[in-house]
Amino acid sequence: RKEVEQDPGPFNVPEGATVAFNCTYSNSASQSFFWYRQDCRKEPKLLMSVYSSGNEDGRFTAQLNRASQYISLLIRDSKLSDSATYLCVVNGNNFNKFYFGSGTKLNVKP
Amino acid sequence: DAGITQSPRYKITETGRQVTLMCHQTWSHSYMFWYRQDLGHGLRLIYYSAAADITDKGEVPDGYVVSRSKTENFPLTLESATRSQTSVYFCASRDNYGYTFGSGTRLTVV
Repeated sequence: RKEVEQDPGPFNVPEGATVAFNCTYSNSASQSFFWYRQDCRKEPKLLMSVYSSGNEDGRFTAQLNRASQYISLLIRDSKLSDSATYLCVVNGNNFNKFYFGSGTKLNVKP
Repeated sequence: DAGITQSPRYKITETGRQVTLMCHQTWSHSYMFWYRQDLGHGLRLIYYSAAADITDKGEVPDGYVVSRSKTENFPLTLESATRSQTSVYFCASRDNYGYTFGSGTRLTVV
């Protein structure tokens, strides 16, 4: 089983829609979680960390469900510029090792 | 320029040649990483370094060599390039807030 799994998508949504992605992780001892955004042919960039109590940054909300071992990313009022691949990142037993999901592709259409 | 830089941006090399990808960061982050990204596999860790002169293998280290004589530099060497090493290579450094990636090196082995 992979350390981190994501639905590859693509998720095709109209502008203004709300969309959510989940990311499941296999290691119940994981403590650090992040969402990264990657545009086509570019490097991944940190979107937001995921805190135990959930956190929000503008239109983006990240949540952690430890019992079911998944993190989620909710995007409200989608913009064309949100079109990208979203990667989840989770640490393993060794804090030095973080595992990246393969990413979920989002296409926001006019 | 502040940040993390990779060179070259693009490289074409022949099978069997040795090639070195460079990575330089200006923040003095202790941790540095090399990933490769291929369709269908997401980001896979090749090697990482916790500090100068401390390196360790990741998921896919075979055929690669790293060194870290100075905190700011973390070169990746393909000892004898193979076609399967055609990929996009990302260097990254990490602090408490997450990873920052370089712009990547697109390597083609012919």
